[in-house]
Amino acid sequence: QQQVKQSPQSLIVQKGGISIINCAYENTAFDYFPWYQQFPGKGPALLIAIRPDVSEKKEGRFTISFNKSAKQFSLHIMDSQPGDSATYFCAASMLDGFQKLVFGTGTRLLVSP
Amino acid sequence: GAGVSQTPSNKVTEKGKYVELRCDPISGHTALYWYRQSLGQGPEFLIYFQGTGAADDSGLPNDRFFAVRPEGSVSTLKIQRTERGDSAVYLCASSALSGSDTQYFGPGTRLTVL
Repeated sequence: QQQVKQSPQSLIVQKGGISIINCAYENTAFDYFPWYQQFPGKGPALLIAIRPDVSEKKEGRFTISFNKSAKQFSLHIMDSQPGDSATYFCAASMLDGFQKLVFGTGTRLLVSP
Repeated sequence: GAGVSQTPSNKVTEKGKYVELRCDPISGHTALYWYRQSLGQGPEFLIYFQGTGAADDSGLPNDRFFAVRPEGSVSTLKIQRTERGDSAVYLCASSALSGSDTQYFGPGTRLTVL
């Protein structure tokens, strides 16, 4: 049972453009929503995370928008750079005890120079 | 400081063989996780350790998979009678003090079962 659906599967954005990746979840008990960035041959690295008590969180060029009623959240990368080219995973978990992360299927982002 | 390390980085084995994958967490991190990442997919949770004990092993696919963390630091994931479907990247992550802290992932071990 896939509990976190992610789209698109792949994305090509020109340098300086905005990259948008969307995720939807099913389990209303989830209360922690991180985004991870993964480069080839490396493990995922936490990029930014949000709790459902806020609708938006911004860190530098990265913003998470969260819609609790729709059970959706998205990652926006402003002024996308070639160095942002990587695979991005959304995830969700409950923070009751520990983070049993449920990941989306990933979005392969390519930022063209 | 040093991050999470995993050895070997690549492991090729034959169907039916036994393999061990090692994870060295960040020093002082008490929480340790194992995930499995199949090609083109996101990581899937396997097992969580808090200290020496497996607090949640609900993600282990069957009894061929077993993990230990005898001294609360290094962990070993053990797979018996490997099958071709076990081929994947096995990721380890650790977090400080409590399970609700940020998980830091290692580079993974790519397991190929021929």
